[in-house]
Amino acid sequence: DAGVIQSPRHEVTEMGQEVTLRCKPISGHNSLFWYRQTMMRGLELLIYFNNNVPIDDSGMPEDRFSAKMPNASFSTLKIQPSEPRDSAVYFCASSGSYTSQPQHFGDGTRLSIL
Amino acid sequence: GENVEQHPSTLSVQEGDSAVIKCTYSDSASNYFPWYKQELGKGPQLIIDIRSNVGEKKDQRIAVTLNKTAKHFSLHITETQPEDSAVYFCAASSPGNQFYFGTGTSLTVIP
Repeated sequence: DAGVIQSPRHEVTEMGQEVTLRCKPISGHNSLFWYRQTMMRGLELLIYFNNNVPIDDSGMPEDRFSAKMPNASFSTLKIQPSEPRDSAVYFCASSGSYTSQPQHFGDGTRLSIL
Repeated sequence: GENVEQHPSTLSVQEGDSAVIKCTYSDSASNYFPWYKQELGKGPQLIIDIRSNVGEKKDQRIAVTLNKTAKHFSLHITETQPEDSAVYFCAASSPGNQFYFGTGTSLTVIP
């Protein structure tokens, strides 16, 4: 079975550029989560969707961050404009439910903003 | 909201010894407790989970115990092998709420 697929795996770009991260959840899962991982802050939940609808975006750090889920098989996380402090590994996870069910993670996008 | 604390932050054991990682949580309504293993360059992978109606669960060399009264749960790895070296995360979730992750334990198994 295909797991959660994220692209790109690595992204290096200059400050001020727009960055778009992509995620394909596991087929049949109706909840999708975006996390950010850094050494200083660990795993932070940014936003999660249930049935393509954003449920909680309180973890999104600033208005520069936005996320969409236009259909059950695709989601994007966009940063515009990007800043060096956005450098981190961004993970997408999917689950059969947004609560009390296993979440399955992709292998992440390592983002470096110069 | 929920607060999950995880100890120790680093752990080194000799191959063949046991490793124990402990987590505490604050929300008595939490009812689902997964454990994840993260290898370098990979995403966290679920290795075992437990629900609040169960006190212990085993899967080969891995076991998890839950003490609801004390609000703590532990991961036990027996007969450790070098491939067990990774970062391990605990998490807690209550009905209607997101996962709250611990800060991770870096386990090194010395051959």
